[in-house]
Amino acid sequence: ETGVTQSPTHLIKTRGQQVTLRCSSQSGHNTVSWYQQALGQGPQFIFQYYREEENGRGNFPPRFSGLQFPNYSSELNVNALELDDSALYLCASSLFGRGRGGGYTFGSGTRLTVV
Amino acid sequence: AQSVSQHNHHVILSEAASLELGCNYSYGGTVNLFWYVQYPGQHLQLLLKYFSGDPLVKGIKGFEAEFIKSKFSFNLRKPSVQWSDTAEYFCAVNSKYGNKLVFGAGTILRVKS
Repeated sequence: ETGVTQSPTHLIKTRGQQVTLRCSSQSGHNTVSWYQQALGQGPQFIFQYYREEENGRGNFPPRFSGLQFPNYSSELNVNALELDDSALYLCASSLFGRGRGGGYTFGSGTRLTVV
Repeated sequence: AQSVSQHNHHVILSEAASLELGCNYSYGGTVNLFWYVQYPGQHLQLLLKYFSGDPLVKGIKGFEAEFIKSKFSFNLRKPSVQWSDTAEYFCAVNSKYGNKLVFGAGTILRVKS
């Protein structure tokens, strides 16, 4: 079975710009969650997508948005980038309802640096 | 709101030493508890999980964790660490019907050979 693939692996953007991060979910999984991991901290839940709709959101502003496509892949979009958005962004896929059971597969992440 | 506290941010041990990493969580309802590991350059992997039943949970690579409900704790243990256990370890919790994991800040373990 394939794992979770994220692209790009590294990205440098300027404050105020917009960025799109991509995630291909593991084969057989239909749910995608996004997490932000700042330096020295644990991952923080941004949101989850199921059936192409947002299914829960963490404490992140509306400039963080997402999409899920019919093939279950997903995008994370961040508008008006701020310096504090610099972090590792993790994507995790799961089978809906099984995710809470620890059935999350994480990708290796996209390292975003905002300058 | 749920929160997870990991007691040590950095731990250094010699090979064959015993390991115990502390984790406390804050949540009033029924929870599922997890330990994840991130080896250098690799993605997060599930080490072990607790849903219900026997509070002593065994995971991969000789790790185990004990859920103590009265202390809101889920400490990770290994009797004898190896150099290959060098990694960052994260404790995480979600509510029984929740859809998000709440992670602790992580503990970086370095095992000296």
